[in-house]
Amino acid sequence: RKEVEQDPGPFNVPEGATVAFNCTYSNSASQSFFWYRQDCRKEPKLLMSVYSSGNEDGRFTAQLNRASQYISLLIRDSKLSDSATYLCVVSIRAYKYIFGTGTRLKVLA
Amino acid sequence: GAVVSQHPSWVICKSGTSVKIECRSLDFQATTMFWYRQFPKQSLMLMATSNEGSKATYEQGVEKDKFLINHASLTLSTLTVTSAHPEDSSFYICSAHIAGGKGGDEQFFGPGTRLTVL
Repeated sequence: RKEVEQDPGPFNVPEGATVAFNCTYSNSASQSFFWYRQDCRKEPKLLMSVYSSGNEDGRFTAQLNRASQYISLLIRDSKLSDSATYLCVVSIRAYKYIFGTGTRLKVLA
Repeated sequence: GAVVSQHPSWVICKSGTSVKIECRSLDFQATTMFWYRQFPKQSLMLMATSNEGSKATYEQGVEKDKFLINHASLTLSTLTVTSAHPEDSSFYICSAHIAGGKGGDEQFFGPGTRLTVL
């Protein structure tokens, strides 16, 4: 089993749609959780950290379920510019980050 | 936000040559930098953790004699791919680690270096 698993997609959604991604992790001692966005042939950029109580940043909402060992990302009112690969990242200890393979999102006009 | 640069952004070389990639934190100091490799349609794979003033910590399966890492200052880490071969062709990305940032520990990534070995 992979340490961090994501549905690779692609998720093809129309503009304005709401889309949700899930990510599961295998190490119950994982400490920190993040969502990164990566555009084609570019470096990853931090989208948001994921806090235990859940957190929201504009159209983006992240949730953490420690009991079931998964995190989620919800994007509301999708924009064309949201098209990218979304990477789930889990830190199992200080200075140790595990990346998921990413979920591709295509927002269609 | 914190800015990390990488140089070169792309390089094409012949098999057997060595390639040096630089990673710089431009507006902050980073005692810890990471080096990742990403093959097409795959995720980032951590190669090594680079600590300023000490030896790098390599992940399992990564040859330290092939991928030489030097972190001589708080703003510069270098990765040298020695005797590169076509199978080393990949996207190499560095990141600089900041502890206790706004969102907790954070990584800031360089723009990556695309290496093609002929």
